[in-house]
Amino acid sequence: DVKVTQSSRYLVKRTGEKVFLECVQDMDHENMFWYRQDPGLGLRLIYFSYDVKMKEKGDIPEGYSVSREKKERFSLILESASTNQTSMYLCAINSGSNTGELFFGEGSRLTVL
Amino acid sequence: QQQVKQSPQSLIVQKGGISIINCAYENTAFDYFPWYQQFPGKGPALLIAIRPDVSEKKEGRFTISFNKSAKQFSLHIMDSQPGDSATYFCAAGSGAQKLVFGQGTRLTINP
Repeated sequence: DVKVTQSSRYLVKRTGEKVFLECVQDMDHENMFWYRQDPGLGLRLIYFSYDVKMKEKGDIPEGYSVSREKKERFSLILESASTNQTSMYLCAINSGSNTGELFFGEGSRLTVL
Repeated sequence: QQQVKQSPQSLIVQKGGISIINCAYENTAFDYFPWYQQFPGKGPALLIAIRPDVSEKKEGRFTISFNKSAKQFSLHIMDSQPGDSATYFCAAGSGAQKLVFGQGTRLTINP
């Protein structure tokens, strides 16, 4: 079974705090993704990485950065959290198939007060 | 051009009925169209996917219908069951599996 593990399921932070969301995969896949899920807006791509130290902006990168120092680990960083970043964050890896299959973690629900 | 528009936002269906969720896209470069199912507290999981060279794909009670000329595709759930109650997302993508997702449909199946 594919495992995509998001270490923090629930976080509560204060405005201005630095936030790290970590994602670890056990499949040795190149492509890793961070999505944000909000009601009525679906899933929106924040950043993705196709190799170690390689990253590319998604559709909503503002206010976020990422780090990929090792192939299995992809971190999402909020340098200075704001209330509008309260959301569910989902990490995913690609399956390598041609059907658009991504394997998702269970999500990290972040509340910024 | 990157948008995928999904409707309805929520849907209530009686047990045994047919659930239908619709999606429309603009970018003709998309070459795969997956549907994801998400239960509360879980990440989305692939349910069924189609490529644009076929007009229909069926897996058990789940069917994707694809209309390339209209740039629309839909998910039909036949004989809907309470266990199908979940949020469903359509998506579209090309290369590198950088998917664009629809807005989601919360489906409730009443027993």
